[in-house]
Amino acid sequence: DVKVTQSSRYLVKRTGEKVFLECVQDMDHENMFWYRQDPGLGLRLIYFSYDVKMKEKGDIPEGYSVSREKKERFSLILESASTNQTSMYLCASSLVVGLKDADTQYFGPGTRLTVL
Amino acid sequence: AQTVTQSQPEMSVQEAETVTLSCTYDTSESDYYLFWYKQPPSRQMILVIRQEAYKQQNATENRFSVNFQKAAKSFSLKISDSQLGDAAMYFCAYRSARRETSGSRLTFGEGTQLTVNP
Repeated sequence: DVKVTQSSRYLVKRTGEKVFLECVQDMDHENMFWYRQDPGLGLRLIYFSYDVKMKEKGDIPEGYSVSREKKERFSLILESASTNQTSMYLCASSLVVGLKDADTQYFGPGTRLTVL
Repeated sequence: AQTVTQSQPEMSVQEAETVTLSCTYDTSESDYYLFWYKQPPSRQMILVIRQEAYKQQNATENRFSVNFQKAAKSFSLKISDSQLGDAAMYFCAYRSARRETSGSRLTFGEGTQLTVNP
C-alpha cells in the first residue's frame, strides 16, 4: 500500500514565524501535491510538483512556497505565517499521467495548523 | 477553468438505507475523469470510485455506484445499504485527461458531510 506521511498532525505557530510542513511518500510517485482544506471550500490546490525540483502553482499559491529536493519528499513553506493561514493542510501523491492508476491520488493524514 | 459544485453540505441516512450525494461540474473539455473521495473522521482521504467520461456505463464498486450524466454535467454517488462506517465527508473531484503535467491535478467540490443514523 502507498503510504503518505506528514510530519505533524497538529501544529501551533505564531504570526510571522516561518513554518515548514513536510510530506513523504514511499511509492516512488512522480507527482506530489499540497492542498488546504477549509469548511465550505473543499480542497484547494496550493502547489504541486511533477518531478524533483519542478513545481507549478495551484489555485492559491500566495503566501506559500514549496521545495522538492528528493523524489519522496515535498515540503510546504509558509515564509511568514498569518492567521488566515490557519487551516488543515493535506499532502497527496500520484503516478505520472498516462500510467495505469495515475488517476488515484493518495493522501496523507493532514496537518492542522493554527496560527495565533 | 473547471469547477465542481456539491450543493448538499450535509446529508443523513438511516443505517441499511440508500442515499444519493449530488455533484455537478463545469468544463469545456470532452475527455476527463470524475472521482468520489471519502474522508472519514480523523482518517486519511481515500478514493471511493472513479468514472472515465468516455465510458457511458456507470461505475460501480460494491455498495457504491454513480449516475454519470455527461450532457447534464452531473455525477452523483449512490450508497446502498448504508453502514455506520460510511459516515464521512465525501468530495467529488474532476481531472482533465490532458497528458501534460497540469493534467494530473484534481479540482474538488466543497464536500458533503454524511451522517449515518443507527
